[in-house]
Amino acid sequence: AQSVTQPDIHITVSEGASLELRCNYSYGATPYLFWYVQSPGQGLQLLLKYFSGDTLVQGIKGFEAEFKRSQSSFNLRKPSVHWSDAAEYFCAVGAWAGNMLTFGGGTRLMVKP
Amino acid sequence: KAGVTQTPRYLIKTRGQQVTLSCSPISGHRSVSWYQQTPGQGLQFLFEYFSETQRNKGNFPGRFSGRQFSNSRSEMNVSTLELGDSALYLCASSSGTSGGTSTDTQYFGPGTRLTVL
Repeated sequence: AQSVTQPDIHITVSEGASLELRCNYSYGATPYLFWYVQSPGQGLQLLLKYFSGDTLVQGIKGFEAEFKRSQSSFNLRKPSVHWSDAAEYFCAVGAWAGNMLTFGGGTRLMVKP
Repeated sequence: KAGVTQTPRYLIKTRGQQVTLSCSPISGHRSVSWYQQTPGQGLQFLFEYFSETQRNKGNFPGRFSGRQFSNSRSEMNVSTLELGDSALYLCASSSGTSGGTSTDTQYFGPGTRLTVL
């Protein structure tokens, strides 16, 4: 069975500092990987996705993620965090068939001024 | 293009009642998936419909059911509500054109917040 682990439940960074959110997955085949962001009271917004090819993926809002098969990881990064980035971030892995995502527990990001 | 819409946004029910939630996908999208989000269990997949057929189902009891109409709009129904059904229910739509694989990007609606008293 597939699973996703986000080891950090809460992270606090200062505005302007760099950010890395960790994601580890367990999946038997080539994974389809996603990062979503959720602001309070909102649905999920897709930041980026990885299906195959280049292991460094660029997304919206200046985010990027790197797929590392040897480490079963798909960490999300941003070089300089803005106060508006404060939200909850979810990593997800997709099944080989059908639209069925398995999500990690989420990481809540707080940004200090 | 309008996004995924869900109605109602908020709902309060009592134990034992049943509830129906509605989801209108992005125009042209044929796949609709439903997820339950709770503080304890996180985000969990309920089911997916494509062209009016249930294509995938998560590990939820039979009290949770859904359907999809010919215009791709979808409803989910929860019967005999329990306190533990209190959650944010999220709907996601995708084009469904990637041969039924998860390369098909899902776009989420704002959710329906269900409270069971």
